[in-house]
Formats: sequence, structure tokens, C-alpha cells
Amino acid sequence: DTEVTQTPKHLVMGMTNKKSLKCEQHMGHRAMYWYKQKAKKPPELMFVYSYEKLSINESVPSRFSPECPNSSLLNLHLHALQPEDSALYLCASSPQFRGSGVRTYEQYFGPGTRLTVT
Amino acid sequence: AQSVTQPDIHITVSEGASLELRCNYSYGATPYLFWYVQSPGQGLQLLLKYFSGDTLVQGIKGFEAEFKRSQSSFNLRKPSVHWSDAAEYFCAVGSNSGGYQKVTFGTGTKLQVIP
Repeated sequence: DTEVTQTPKHLVMGMTNKKSLKCEQHMGHRAMYWYKQKAKKPPELMFVYSYEKLSINESVPSRFSPECPNSSLLNLHLHALQPEDSALYLCASSPQFRGSGVRTYEQYFGPGTRLTVT
Repeated sequence: AQSVTQPDIHITVSEGASLELRCNYSYGATPYLFWYVQSPGQGLQLLLKYFSGDTLVQGIKGFEAEFKRSQSSFNLRKPSVHWSDAAEYFCAVGSNSGGYQKVTFGTGTKLQVIP
């Protein structure tokens, strides 16, 4: 199974709503990522989890709250979003490695959740 | 800091013609380089990757890329383009840190294929 799944595919929410995005992989990967992609732009990294611990937060506003409850699952909790947060949210995973050495651990991406904030 | 430049925002080719998409990177050490493709509203699919060894790498869907250290380039090629290749193509450079890989994407090149 080389698939990363994301639910829901589409989400429309008001600025006072609370919602969550879900990402799942069963490839045994221990690094998982959230990206935000605006139209006609490349993906921008938001968060990285490594062994279920938050390793990178790219200065993302606190209205986005990530959670990694286990090694297969990654959530992104949304609260009090702004219209400018409307975007495609992509999840990715990659194999984990420890130590030095030449490795390439490409990221596998899910299909994304198209979020619209009204 | 690592960075990637894709100088062509939009490229149009005829079906059956050859294709070359340009990518230049900036990275202090040996780079991990990738090409991803994205169809509208979809996630990213890895076409190919390079981190060492043979500088000409083969990928899926008939794509190949050549790493040229002297030119800091990693251009993507395909000898004969199909209409289904129309999509956005992203070049990316990755660095390993703490057991994960931090990837920086270029701004993308949109490929249009005409009959």
C-alpha cells in the first residue's frame, strides 16, 4: 500500500467553525507533513512530525493545530480561520532514518483537501 | 539555504514533440533533487529523484532528468509528449534533518499540450 489518504476532499467552513482534516498512511512511515498550497503556487511547508513528535512548525498561526495521535494518522484542527486560509491542504509522509549517511526519502503526497473559508 | 528556480512559468508543446523543463538549484552540499507532477486539484506525484550515482535518472511515464553539478541544474526531459502530460511540474530540493526531509519547491512550470 503506497497510498496517503486525506479526508474530506472538500470542506467549506465559516470563520467561527471548528473542523478537522485527516490524513492516513499505512506504509510504516514515521515522518508526516502538512503543506498549504494556494492557487498557482508551490506547496508551502506548515508542520513536520517525526516519530509522532512535532519537529517543525513554520510559524503557522495558532488557528491551525496539528496532532499526530499515532504513527499512521495525522490531523489538522482548524478554528477561527480567515478567508485567506482557503487553499489546498496537502499531507505527505516519508520513511524515517536515523544517523548520518546518504539517503533519499521522498515524500508521498495525498490528494489534498480543498478548503474554502467563508 | 536551499532554493530552486524554474525559469519557465508556462510552456506549450505539440503532442509528440520533445520536452525539456528547466530547473536550477542552490544548495551547499550534495543535493537531493526531485521532480513532481500535479494535475489540477490533485496531490503531487513523484516522477523521479536524484541523490547520487548516475547523473541521468529515469522516472515514471517516460521522463528522465540529468543532474549537472557544474551548472547547478536538474532538467526534466521527455522525448515525445502525450496529451495526458499536461499538468504542473515542480522541481524540488531536499535536505535531511533529524530523520525527516525538508523539501523546498520551485514555483512550478505549467505544461500545455496542443494537438
